[in-house]
Amino acid sequence: EDQVTQSPEALRLQEGESSSLNCSYTVSGLRGLFWYRQDPGKGPEFLFTLYSAGEEKEKERLKATLTKKESFLHITAPKPEDSATYLCAVRGDSWGKLQFGAGTQVVVTP
Amino acid sequence: DVKVTQSSRYLVKRTGEKVFLECVQDMDHENMFWYRQDPGLGLRLIYFSYDVKMKEKGDIPEGYSVSREKKERFSLILESASTNQTSMYLCASSSPLGLRRSEAFFGQGTRLTVV
Repeated sequence: EDQVTQSPEALRLQEGESSSLNCSYTVSGLRGLFWYRQDPGKGPEFLFTLYSAGEEKEKERLKATLTKKESFLHITAPKPEDSATYLCAVRGDSWGKLQFGAGTQVVVTP
Repeated sequence: DVKVTQSSRYLVKRTGEKVFLECVQDMDHENMFWYRQDPGLGLRLIYFSYDVKMKEKGDIPEGYSVSREKKERFSLILESASTNQTSMYLCASSSPLGLRRSEAFFGQGTRLTVV
């Protein structure tokens, strides 16, 4: 069974203090690892897809990387507007089902 | 821009009522999903549809059914609402597995309260 574990559960950062979120996964035949951002009371917003080990994607202050067992979401010099819950999900061989982790809640204070 | 639209942001229903949650997508996606999200439990898949009139059970299908009569529309039905179905419900759509761009796009969510 596909499994996704995210750590830490919560992260409190000062504005400008860079950090990384971890997503560890086990999946049968990785067909994609996905990062989403979710604001309170809203649906998840798609950020990145990674398909193979060594791949990296960047968007503004966010950078996602992938190895064979885990993915990292690096937040560089965060701003208060980066405060959100970040979700990781994997898609394996089984009919396209997305398996989500529990998320990391990030709070960035001025 | 991909758009997934859920019919209601907030709903309050009584125990025992039959509840319909509607979802429409405009990207001609084959796959559509219904998830529920609860604090501490994350997103859990209720049902999945990979084509019109086709459906697969997810991890927690008990107490729910779905309908997909048209490609763009996927409905979640609570046959007899109970208080333990109070939750945030999220609809998503994606291209089929096997296509390079297979990420799922989500609607804004429906916060359902059953009293």
